[in-house]
Amino acid sequence: GQQLNQSPQSMFIQEGEDVSMNCTSSSIFNTWLWYKQDPGEGPVLLIALYKAGELTSNGRLTAQFGITRKDSFLNISASIPSDVGIYFCAGQGTERIQGAQKLVFGQGTRLTINP
Amino acid sequence: ETGVTQTPRHLVMGMTNKKSLKCEQHLGHNAMYWYKQSAKKPLELMFVYSLEERVENNSVPSRFSPECPNSSHLFLHLHTLQPEDSALYLCASSQRVSSTDTQYFGPGTRLTVL
Repeated sequence: GQQLNQSPQSMFIQEGEDVSMNCTSSSIFNTWLWYKQDPGEGPVLLIALYKAGELTSNGRLTAQFGITRKDSFLNISASIPSDVGIYFCAGQGTERIQGAQKLVFGQGTRLTINP
Repeated sequence: ETGVTQTPRHLVMGMTNKKSLKCEQHLGHNAMYWYKQSAKKPLELMFVYSLEERVENNSVPSRFSPECPNSSHLFLHLHTLQPEDSALYLCASSQRVSSTDTQYFGPGTRLTVL
């Protein structure tokens, strides 16, 4: 089946630093989604990407849909304490379930920020 | 985002209990999902409902029984669970057959089985 490799698994940075994480796959995806999850909460959608090469920003966050459709990255600029959490990538490939999505999730990147 | 709500937020149950998790979406979507999230494991898709019809059951044990009475509500009925079933159970919804569909998640129910 389709798999996503998300890296790094964890990051320890200083407040104010920029952050970069990515997801790669051997399969092609039609949609890339980036989520953030705080402890004890559900994933919250940060950015959705629907076209190869698309570059989208949401405040200090920027994500890109790789031109090969097999990868995506998420950058966070000038990190602040509330950026702490687990970031997940998710991809929708060609397979659907009676029209519903069948997302493949990365393993997550745990971000820790030292003040 | 309060588009998808889940109750209860926390649940502790014994192995012989019967309980139900509830999910409600206010986004006008027509596909709903149950996921299980265990510590240090990726999200596991359990069930998918599309237009209120169950279309995916990912080899989930029969002690988990989903129900989708309408497009806005989704339930997960639990009975005779095992301690290894303790996890965060997440509900999500999306608009099916859309080129720009996105899944939105609820806050989850933290389940502990004693």
